[in-house]
Amino acid sequence: ETGVTQSPTHLIKTRGQQVTLRCSSQSGHNTVSWYQQALGQGPQFIFQYYREEENGRGNFPPRFSGLQFPNYSSELNVNALELDDSALYLCASSFGSQAGYGYTFGSGTRLTVV
Amino acid sequence: AQSVSQHNHHVILSEAASLELGCNYSYGGTVNLFWYVQYPGQHLQLLLKYFSGDPLVKGIKGFEAEFIKSKFSFNLRKPSVQWSDTAEYFCAVNDPGATNKLIFGTGTLLAVQP
Repeated sequence: ETGVTQSPTHLIKTRGQQVTLRCSSQSGHNTVSWYQQALGQGPQFIFQYYREEENGRGNFPPRFSGLQFPNYSSELNVNALELDDSALYLCASSFGSQAGYGYTFGSGTRLTVV
Repeated sequence: AQSVSQHNHHVILSEAASLELGCNYSYGGTVNLFWYVQYPGQHLQLLLKYFSGDPLVKGIKGFEAEFIKSKFSFNLRKPSVQWSDTAEYFCAVNDPGATNKLIFGTGTLLAVQP
């Protein structure tokens, strides 16, 4: 079975720009959850996509948005980037929406905002 | 709101030493608890999980954790660590208000010296 693939692995953007991060879910999984991991912190839940719809959101502003496609892959979009958005962005796929159950994480995208 | 505390931020052990990493959570109701590990350069992987039943949970690679409800704790243990256990360890708990969301602790960086 394939794992979770995230692209790109590293990215440098300027404050105010927009960015799109991509996640290919593991075969057989229908749910994608996105987490932000700032330096020295644990991952924080951004939102989840289940059956192509947003299924819950953490404490992140609307400039964080996402999509899920019919093949269950997903995108995370961040508009008007701020310096504090610099972090490792993790994608986790699963079958079903229950948190943590059967999560497979990707290796993440390291975003640096300058 | 649910929160997770990992009091040991950085632990250094010699090979064959015993390991115990602390994890405490704040919500007193029904919880699902997890320990994840992140080896250098790799993605987050599930070590073990507790949903219900026997409070002593065995995971992969010789790790175990004990759920003590009265202490709101889920400490991770291993009787004898190896150099290959060098990694960052994260405790996580489900958000009682949102079953699709995991709340992570800040992580414990374990360095095992040969």
